[in-house]
Amino acid sequence: EPEVTQTPSHQVTQMGQEVILRCVPISNHLYFYWYRQILGQKVEFLVSFYNNEISEKSEIFDDQFSVERPDGSNFTLKIRSTKLEDSAMYFCASMGVTGELFFGEGSRLTVL
Amino acid sequence: AQKVTQAQTEISVVEKEDVTLDCVYETRDTTYYLFWYKQPPSGELVFLIRRNSFDEQNEISGRYSWNFQKSTSSFNFTITASQVVDSAVYFCALSEGGATNKLIFGTGTLLAVQP
Repeated sequence: EPEVTQTPSHQVTQMGQEVILRCVPISNHLYFYWYRQILGQKVEFLVSFYNNEISEKSEIFDDQFSVERPDGSNFTLKIRSTKLEDSAMYFCASMGVTGELFFGEGSRLTVL
Repeated sequence: AQKVTQAQTEISVVEKEDVTLDCVYETRDTTYYLFWYKQPPSGELVFLIRRNSFDEQNEISGRYSWNFQKSTSSFNFTITASQVVDSAVYFCALSEGGATNKLIFGTGTLLAVQP
């Protein structure tokens, strides 16, 4: 069964460092997303990406965040200068024509 | 504005009991989609169901069933004969479709099924 894959599963970084989280969406899907979940809280929308551009972003997705689909398969989330409050689980998701949204297993980011 | 409310923070049941997880939503759109996801202790989000606003038929999938009532803006989820493996956090979510189809999640309900 096709699935969304994310790497790394867990990353520990120092405050101020750049982090790149990687995702491989399901191959025939056209819509891609990043969500985050701070420990013990609800899942929050960060950004959606369609046709090689951002279609919507939340207030959380400030100038420190960026997304890219560099090679037609990978979909990356970059945080330029991490803050303590960026510590969370980051989920990539993709959606196909059926409208079902499938999530990856998440990348846990710990900022020290 | 969109909002999803899961008033039950935690539910504890004994195996084989039936349990219903409540979800109430708010939206101004007439076209929208409702979802349920399961998040087991391992942390991943497992898709369970997607329902559009024009389809109010109840759905059953094995031990799972969903009751969608537009009159009360609710989309409740029932697990029949619960099992220990059902222990997880369950999230209800709403999408108004449109260009992005982003999901707005509720705060989740932690279900603990005791053996």
